[in-house]
Amino acid sequence: GAVVSQHPSRVICKSGTSVKIECRSLDFQATTMFWYRQFPKQSLMLMATSNEGSKATYEQGVEKDKFLINHASLTLSTLTVTSAHPEDSSFYICSANNARGSQETQYFGPGTRLLVL
Amino acid sequence: DAKTTQPTSMDCAEGRAANLPCNHSTISGNEYVYWYRQIHSQGPQYIIHGLKNNETNEMASLIITEDRKSSTLILPHATLRDTAVYYCIVGGGSEKLVFGKGTKLTVNP
Repeated sequence: GAVVSQHPSRVICKSGTSVKIECRSLDFQATTMFWYRQFPKQSLMLMATSNEGSKATYEQGVEKDKFLINHASLTLSTLTVTSAHPEDSSFYICSANNARGSQETQYFGPGTRLLVL
Repeated sequence: DAKTTQPTSMDCAEGRAANLPCNHSTISGNEYVYWYRQIHSQGPQYIIHGLKNNETNEMASLIITEDRKSSTLILPHATLRDTAVYYCIVGGGSEKLVFGKGTKLTVNP
């Protein structure tokens, strides 16, 4: 299967600082990547859709100025949590679309656990 | 909202087949059925997907009813490492995936 990596795997930061999370597709190119957030004992919630070379599309209720997304290449998307606060503490997961012929399948990264103190 | 309905939890004995059902009565003609699983504190793992024909790979089999309103994921010989939350999701191609609550499968020794 296709491999998606995330870095860092976990991060602890002080309130008010910004944190950048990288998502890379290692063995395929992805024109579309997705960013999800998962709180404890809950399901994954889509935050935004990231398209290479264009602006991200954010889900309702997700602040685009707080969660900055950059999809600069076909193998890399970044999510920056700006001015992080304790309520932003969560498990952030990215996925990337791998197109094979007419079918596209999303493959997920291992996730990044963010703790804001 | 998720377009699928799954049981909240299921148990299975190690070595036996695990059959996980999913209802997707509002699925449209061009939407695929995807199955993922999430082991605690990890990202979701792709298992299998299908459109209307039954599918099999090294991990599982996917049985889709003829009317496509429901499907069953089959893990033929469940192991303890198959304990996870299993998500059934319908979607098409590059569209976003909407996760429901999934089925928490516990494989018992």
